[in-house]
Amino acid sequence: EPEVTQTPSHQVTQMGQEVILRCVPISNHLYFYWYRQILGQKVEFLVSFYNNEISEKSEIFDDQFSVERPDGSNFTLKIRSTKLEDSAMYFCASSVTSGRGSSYNEQFFGPGTRLTVL
Amino acid sequence: GQQVMQIPQYQHVQEGEDFTTYCNSSTTLSNIQWYKQRPGGHPVFLIQLVKSGEVKKQKRLTFQFGEAKKNSSLHITATQTTDVGTYFCAGPRDKIIFGKGTRLHILP
Repeated sequence: EPEVTQTPSHQVTQMGQEVILRCVPISNHLYFYWYRQILGQKVEFLVSFYNNEISEKSEIFDDQFSVERPDGSNFTLKIRSTKLEDSAMYFCASSVTSGRGSSYNEQFFGPGTRLTVL
Repeated sequence: GQQVMQIPQYQHVQEGEDFTTYCNSSTTLSNIQWYKQRPGGHPVFLIQLVKSGEVKKQKRLTFQFGEAKKNSSLHITATQTTDVGTYFCAGPRDKIIFGKGTRLHILP
């Protein structure tokens, strides 16, 4: 069964450093997402991406964040200058459709990358 | 701002008892999704509801979407230990908004 993969599974970084989290979405999916989940809290939407551009983003997704699809398979989330409060589990997800209106939108989540900022 | 609220936050039930979690949105949703997250795991899609008043069943799970498309519920009949986890609703409006989830504990 196809699945979303994410690397690394755990990333430890110093405050102020840049990190890049990597995801390989399911191959025939067109919509890609990043979410974060601070320990014990809810899943928070960060950004959605379609056709090589951002389609939606949340208030959390400020100038410190960027996303890229550098090739036909990878989808990355970059945090330019990490802060302590960026420590969280980051989930990548992908779907065939956008989920707007009545379109069916089953999002498949990857296993996550745990980011620890020291 | 747009909010999706879930209650209860935690629920402990005896194995075999029923369980219900409720999801309420401050705005009308075009559709609503439910996800389950096992402890230490990632969210797994359960279902999507689109139509006003829609009811869908998956074995022991029953999902409802309110007539006004602002609330939803998930009911599990005769809980089993495999039902343990956190159940999230998520509603697309302008953005995808997850509720805080209901964490279900099953007492043997």
